[in-house]
Amino acid sequence: GENVEQHPSTLSVQEGDSAVIKCTYSDSASNYFPWYKQELGKGPQLIIDIRSNVGEKKDQRIAVTLNKTAKHFSLHITETQPEDSAVYFCASTGFQKLVFGTGTRLLVSP
Amino acid sequence: DSGVTQTPKHLITATGQRVTLRCSPRSGDLSVYWYQQSLDQGLQFLIQYYNGEERAKGNILERFSAQQFPDLHSELNLSSLELGDSALYFCASSVDSNSQETQYFGPGTRLLVL
Repeated sequence: GENVEQHPSTLSVQEGDSAVIKCTYSDSASNYFPWYKQELGKGPQLIIDIRSNVGEKKDQRIAVTLNKTAKHFSLHITETQPEDSAVYFCASTGFQKLVFGTGTRLLVSP
Repeated sequence: DSGVTQTPKHLITATGQRVTLRCSPRSGDLSVYWYQQSLDQGLQFLIQYYNGEERAKGNILERFSAQQFPDLHSELNLSSLELGDSALYFCASSVDSNSQETQYFGPGTRLLVL
């Protein structure tokens, strides 16, 4: 069935470093790939998304890349700040629904 | 603030009981989605409603049901509660029914079954 694998499950970086989170999806028909940030005690918040007709999208310190051939997509955060600490979820479109990865807990240390 | 509201924020109840969770979508959004988030399961899609009609079903137990009302708010009913139903329940909304539409999440309801 539809599946999204997300790695790593935890990621610790120093402030100012870059962070990369990778996801792999199984449904070759998937064409929409959002990324959500979830802070403690809050609901997931959309931070960036990409559609299958583009390979890369950037929004300030955040970028997402998509490789449809390999069924990979990645989130890149540059110049990380302590407020970037949260759980990040990738997702891809499955049949009639979004399928979420298992999440990456990012910890940015000052 | 996503514009999606959920009540209550917290709910503590006992096994065997029934609870109702409420969600109001963003203004103008016609689709409502329900998700369950537990520690070891991530975000699991339960069910989607679009303009009052059930649109898609995920891993929703038979003990759970939902509906969307004419004013587009939605309720998720959980009955015969078990300890394992303890989780965060999120509602999300989107403009349309297409899975490619951006979904905006509410703050969630934390359910604890004792």
